[in-house]
Amino acid sequence: DAGVIQSPRHEVTEMGQEVTLRCKPISGHNSLFWYRQTMMRGLELLIYFNNNVPIDDSGMPEDRFSAKMPNASFSTLKIQPSEPRDSAVYFCASSLVAYSNQPQHFGDGTRLSIL
Amino acid sequence: DAKTTQPNSMESNEEEPVHLPCNHSTISGTDYIHWYRQLPSQGPEYVIHGLTSNVNNRMASLAIAEDRKSSTLILHRATLRDAAVYYCIDHYGQNFVFGPGTRLSVLP
Repeated sequence: DAGVIQSPRHEVTEMGQEVTLRCKPISGHNSLFWYRQTMMRGLELLIYFNNNVPIDDSGMPEDRFSAKMPNASFSTLKIQPSEPRDSAVYFCASSLVAYSNQPQHFGDGTRLSIL
Repeated sequence: DAKTTQPNSMESNEEEPVHLPCNHSTISGTDYIHWYRQLPSQGPEYVIHGLTSNVNNRMASLAIAEDRKSSTLILHRATLRDAAVYYCIDHYGQNFVFGPGTRLSVLP
């Protein structure tokens, strides 16, 4: 079975540029999560969606970050403009529903470097 | 605030059992106890979860204390491929909160 698919796997760009990260959740999963991982802060939840609707975006660091889920099989996380402190590994995860008894399944992540 | 505590690191010899402890004294009565692991350069991987009863799957066993304030992840025979960071998950509402986890080293 196909797992969560993220693209690109690596992205290197200069500060000020727009960055778009993409995620395809597992088919049939109704909840999607975006996380960011850094050495300093560990793994942090940025935002999650239920049935394509954003439910909790309290982890989004600032207005430069935005996330969309136009349909059940695709989501994007956009950073505009990007800054060096945005360098991190960004993970997407999906689950059947966003509930305590449901495991989340993670993609392999996008390693983002902002120069 | 809810919080889990785990040892920063543990070491095991290959083919020996490993018991990874976690304290989650503030977990709510309806939240499941989840364990994930993260291998180098990979995303977190689901290992096991449970509510009150001990649980077994092909990867590991989960022993949950009767008062639910602690749990232990058991790898029955550690292999080199089990070297990873193991996370016992905290909850904030419906959100999973990942702490620093336990870095497991497996010695050949």
